[in-house]
Amino acid sequence: NAGVTQTPKFQVLKTGQSMTLQCAQDMNHEYMSWYRQDPGMGLRLIHYSVGAGITDQGEVPNGYNVSRSTTEDFPLRLLSAAPSQTSVYFCASSPGALLYEQYFGPGTRLTVT
Amino acid sequence: GESVGLHLPTLSVQEGDNSIINCAYSNSASDYFIWYKQESGKGPQFIIDIRSNMDKRQGQRVTVLLNKTVKHLSLQIAATQPGDSAVYFCAESANDYKLSFGAGTTVTVRA
Repeated sequence: NAGVTQTPKFQVLKTGQSMTLQCAQDMNHEYMSWYRQDPGMGLRLIHYSVGAGITDQGEVPNGYNVSRSTTEDFPLRLLSAAPSQTSVYFCASSPGALLYEQYFGPGTRLTVT
Repeated sequence: GESVGLHLPTLSVQEGDNSIINCAYSNSASDYFIWYKQESGKGPQFIIDIRSNMDKRQGQRVTVLLNKTVKHLSLQIAATQPGDSAVYFCAESANDYKLSFGAGTTVTVRA
């Protein structure tokens, strides 16, 4: 199993550009989530999903959209990037529909200029 | 061993000593707590979790203690090794769907 994979590893965007951060897992996990991590801080939950077709907002959802059309994939979309969205983004998944023992991906480092 | 009374951002510990990392949580409704380890350039890695109906749980070289009265969580690492150098985060959940992370403690192991 590859576990949780994220692409790209690094990305630089200009203000106003849009992009999608990809996240995939091959463990048949129901629960998936997106976090952002800013320097010197803990992770903050952006959005989460308890299964295909079901998503909900986390602590900091503004400026981000998600969808969950399959169990495996959970992409995060930035519709109009802002410098405040410069951060490291982590995707995670866990067995079942709850957040126990989440497995995290390696992260995507995003810079918005 | 060395310990942090209140949450401090860094902890330096001698190799072989025990480490104690403290965490205060704010939501009295939280009933599930997790400790994660994050090495440089990597995603967080699950260490151990505990439910609010327990006050202690042990894993391999790690013990988590929960004091609900004062809303305090601690992680004890026995015989700290160089590979334990990392940032440690506590996280809490009140509803099994949303996890809130603390600010993290950077542990440095001295040889």
